[in-house]
Amino acid sequence: KQEVTQIPAALSVPEGENLVLNCSFTDSAIYNLQWFRQDPGKGLTSLLLIQSSQREQTSGRLNASLDKSSGRSTLYIAASQPGDSATYLCAVWDGGSQGNLIFGKGTKLSVKP
Amino acid sequence: EAGVAQSPRYKIIEKRQSVAFWCNPISGHATLYWYQQILGQGPKLLIQFQNNGVVDDSQLPKDRFSAERLKGVDSTLKIQPAKLEDSAVYLCASSLEWGLGTEAFFGQGTRLTVV
Repeated sequence: KQEVTQIPAALSVPEGENLVLNCSFTDSAIYNLQWFRQDPGKGLTSLLLIQSSQREQTSGRLNASLDKSSGRSTLYIAASQPGDSATYLCAVWDGGSQGNLIFGKGTKLSVKP
Repeated sequence: EAGVAQSPRYKIIEKRQSVAFWCNPISGHATLYWYQQILGQGPKLLIQFQNNGVVDDSQLPKDRFSAERLKGVDSTLKIQPAKLEDSAVYLCASSLEWGLGTEAFFGQGTRLTVV
């Protein structure tokens, strides 16, 4: 059974810092991996989708990497801003016959001005 | 492009009452998902549709939860009767295809409080 773990559960950094959020999964047989952002009381906003054949994906100040063999992904946020404060969720597209997203519990990020 | 629409945004009901949530996916998206997110947890899949057929409902508590997707577009999720532990955010998502890990897009969610 696929399990997704995100470390740390919470992170507080001063504005301007570069930071890394970690995601690990137990079964390397995944289709893809998707990173989401969730603001309080809101739904999920898709940030990046990494295909299983890719090693990384970039969007603006965000860079996500994927190492399927070791079951790890990282989300790198450069020059953090207070507006980046949110919960970041990692989810893997399970390689089973149904193919659905399995989520971690998220990392709650707070960027202090 | 319009996103995934959900209503209502918030709902408060007493235990043993019934409640229904509505979702309209992105136009042309064949796959629709309902997820339950309990406070402090990641979303958990309840049911997945491909067009108007159920692909996976293995984690849906079928004694009290039901869902349908008539005509392969809109979907409703119903809880009857509700329990205190059903308090959660119910998220609807859609994707263009099924089983290939194409990008999923989520709605704003419905926050349910059962008192």
